[in-house]
Amino acid sequence: DSGVTQTPKHLITATGQRVTLRCSPRSGDLSVYWYQQSLDQGLQFLIQYYNGEERAKGNILERFSAQQFPDLHSELNLSSLELGDSALYFCASSVAGGFGTGELFFGEGSRLTVL
Amino acid sequence: AQSVAQPEDQVNVAEGNPLTVKCTYSVSGNPYLFWYVQYPNRGLQFLLKYITGDNLVKGSYGFEAEFNKSQTSFHLKKPSALVSDSALYFCAVRALDNYGQNFVFGPGTRLSVLP
Repeated sequence: DSGVTQTPKHLITATGQRVTLRCSPRSGDLSVYWYQQSLDQGLQFLIQYYNGEERAKGNILERFSAQQFPDLHSELNLSSLELGDSALYFCASSVAGGFGTGELFFGEGSRLTVL
Repeated sequence: AQSVAQPEDQVNVAEGNPLTVKCTYSVSGNPYLFWYVQYPNRGLQFLLKYITGDNLVKGSYGFEAEFNKSQTSFHLKKPSALVSDSALYFCAVRALDNYGQNFVFGPGTRLSVLP
């Protein structure tokens, strides 16, 4: 158990809909990362937050948005969903925002299926 | 730009034989290197990391990795493979970017250990 909690574990929805994925980082971790993993694909970095502020942005679509709340949990919002958005979405956390040497700790992921 | 390459999509090895999963990197400055393993429908699990010091790093489940600065490589090794080692393996580098440092993952290598 990494200590990173993601909900829901599975989600099935229709095209055009909007969903919210939630992540609670490990206790004490200030930084949250979101990744997308499509079938048989590697990890695509979406976005990173550190202590409530956006720190880095990767290949995140404009239809997607995220935020980190004062209690450090984070939410990833996916809207106007398309079939191609079906994927595993991972959250990871680390203590430091940018200058540490620590590893990332990953949650078990949220599997999104868009029909 | 920072990058990580895993030249083999797939590695097959017989149980009991040694295994190697290759990784090369390109970063500016000192590299912080990591290996993760992903079992089916699970999150990524941290195996080991190189920050500084001894070029041979030992990690979880009997895995080790050798850092080679001149060849910019960080190959993952295990002396005797187990069927249970079959999984997807990711190499990553904590790289310097405009916000300090961020993680860059390789595309992954699927390891199959045959009984």
